[in-house]
Amino acid sequence: AQSVAQPEDQVNVAEGNPLTVKCTYSVSGNPYLFWYVQYPNRGLQFLLKYITGDNLVKGSYGFEAEFNKSQTSFHLKKPSALVSDSALYFCAVRALSGGSYIPTFGRGTSLIVHP
Amino acid sequence: DTAVSQTPKYLVTQMGNDKSIKCEQNLGHDTMYWYKQDSKKFLKIMFSYNNKELIINETVPNRFSPKSPDKAHLNLHINSLELGDSAVYFCASSLLGSGEQYFGPGTRLTVT
Repeated sequence: AQSVAQPEDQVNVAEGNPLTVKCTYSVSGNPYLFWYVQYPNRGLQFLLKYITGDNLVKGSYGFEAEFNKSQTSFHLKKPSALVSDSALYFCAVRALSGGSYIPTFGRGTSLIVHP
Repeated sequence: DTAVSQTPKYLVTQMGNDKSIKCEQNLGHDTMYWYKQDSKKFLKIMFSYNNKELIINETVPNRFSPKSPDKAHLNLHINSLELGDSAVYFCASSLLGSGEQYFGPGTRLTVT
């Protein structure tokens, strides 16, 4: 069975500093990997995805993520954090299971950016 | 132009009642989903339809019944509501091939 782990419930970073939100996954076969952001009382918003190709993927709002096959990781990064980046971030994997593509989400990481 | 819309946004009801949540997408996607987000923000897929055909049916009580009248709509009917059904329910849509999903604003269901 596929799974996604986000080892940190919360990440704290000062505004202007780089940020990393960690994600590791376990699937059989080639994964599709995603990051989503959820602001309070809102639905999830798609940030970026990795399917194939360049291991560094760029997405919305200046975010990027690096796919590392050997470490089965897909960490989300941003060079300079903004207070407005404070939100809940979800990593997700989509892989073939029993003939269907089942999306599986991590438990989410709360990012808090301090002024 | 709302891409994925859900109605109602809030739903407060008593145990034992039956309720429905509606979802519509105008993105031209072929796949739609229902998710449940609990109080700890954990997101769990419930159902998915591709071109009106059920393709994902996770371990959900059979009190929950999805229905997709066409590719743009996916409704969720819940019978005999229980306290544990209280959660935020999200609808989402995607193209089956590309995978990224677009979520609605959610329906906060409170069962008293």
